[in-house]
Amino acid sequence: GDSVTQMEGPVTLSEEAFLTINCTYTATGYPSLFWYVQYPGEGLQLLLKATKADDKGSNKGFEATYRKETTSFHLEKGSVQVSDSAVYFCALSNLDGGSQGNLIFGKGTKLSVKP
Amino acid sequence: DTEVTQTPKHLVMGMTNKKSLKCEQHMGHRAMYWYKQKAKKPPELMFVYSYEKLSINESVPSRFSPECPNSSLLNLHLHALQPEDSALYLCASSQDRGPGLEQYFGPGTRLTVT
Repeated sequence: GDSVTQMEGPVTLSEEAFLTINCTYTATGYPSLFWYVQYPGEGLQLLLKATKADDKGSNKGFEATYRKETTSFHLEKGSVQVSDSAVYFCALSNLDGGSQGNLIFGKGTKLSVKP
Repeated sequence: DTEVTQTPKHLVMGMTNKKSLKCEQHMGHRAMYWYKQKAKKPPELMFVYSYEKLSINESVPSRFSPECPNSSLLNLHLHALQPEDSALYLCASSQDRGPGLEQYFGPGTRLTVT
């Protein structure tokens, strides 16, 4: 079945550092890919998405490009802030592969940004 | 308005209690979801409603009983829960069911079973 693999955390960075969180997926067909963020004590918020190969999703300085050849959707930000401290989930949805279009989440990566 | 609201925010209940969680959205979304999230884990799908009909039940124990009274409301009725059911319960909605459509999540209900 479909699956998502994220880099293990926690990730600790200093303010203004460059961020990369790796995400790779296994899926049949052409899944849509998402990054969700969960701030402490809150629900999940959609950060960005991409629905086809070579699409770039971007929001709030975060970017991720749907790379079908490497089955990846790595999250990047050029300069992180303390307020970016949160847990980041990579996810896919796919009508093929048995998941019926539901979200398949990675395990999450906790990011801590120090001033 | 892109908000999904959930009540209560926190709930403590004994193993013999009956309680309900409520979720509401006014975005005209036709799909609604219940997830369970344990600490430091991703959300796990419990139920999916599509056009007010239960579409998917991911083998959830019968002590959890969902209800969709109308297209804006989703309830989760709880009865005879176990301590291991303590978790954050998240509601979400999407315009419809489909792979490219994002889900909007509520803030969750933090449930503690004593």
